[in-house]
Amino acid sequence: SQQGEEDPQALSIQEGENATMNCSYKTSINNLQWYRQNSGRGLVHLILIRSNEREKHSGRLRVTLDTSKKSSSLLITASRAADTASYFCATLDSGYSTLTFGKGTMLLVSP
Amino acid sequence: DGGITQSPKYLFRKEGQNVTLSCEQNLNHDAMYWYRQDPGQGLRLIYYSQIVNDFQKGDIAEGYSVSREKKESFPLTVTSAQKNPTAFYLCASSLRTGFLAQMNTEAFFGQGTRLTVV
Repeated sequence: SQQGEEDPQALSIQEGENATMNCSYKTSINNLQWYRQNSGRGLVHLILIRSNEREKHSGRLRVTLDTSKKSSSLLITASRAADTASYFCATLDSGYSTLTFGKGTMLLVSP
Repeated sequence: DGGITQSPKYLFRKEGQNVTLSCEQNLNHDAMYWYRQDPGQGLRLIYYSQIVNDFQKGDIAEGYSVSREKKESFPLTVTSAQKNPTAFYLCASSLRTGFLAQMNTEAFFGQGTRLTVV
């Protein structure tokens, strides 16, 4: 079953702008992770936030987690054309021990 | 170099044929996973294994089979019972989850195998 749902499905911005993607999930989690996928390739892990954390930074990435609303957001600041990819959130359920992925947000950054 | 390798990159299957997708990792990870991705869709879990000689069904296991005879290897067989096998298949590995779930459980992915029925 699909746990996370990303919003929007697609996002088109200009280089230098910020990109914000949201993820909602349904059940209690241990952690939430964001991954990036370039077209036709495997996924690459970006950042992990644990259920007892509210915000985390890594370079140009900022992730927030609101467990009361069962939602997370990923902010990419000062975007570049190379950021063009699909972005997925994934949750580690407290009992299931596997990662469950959403359908992803397709980000297009134009030069 | 440490990593996870899937082969082949492209695979063509005739109707009624079984095919096996290879997945090998040298990261010393306990857990391995197989996901299926259809165009414009997220990843759906087929099978996963937390330890050698043990594996569990995911959300869409029907028509697939796996084995875990070695820690490094987790091959996936797409059987003739899988009626719509054309998809992109992704293998991943991670440190064991479960009671270690509060620790680093990021997954490392292979580059995928694109399977097409001809």
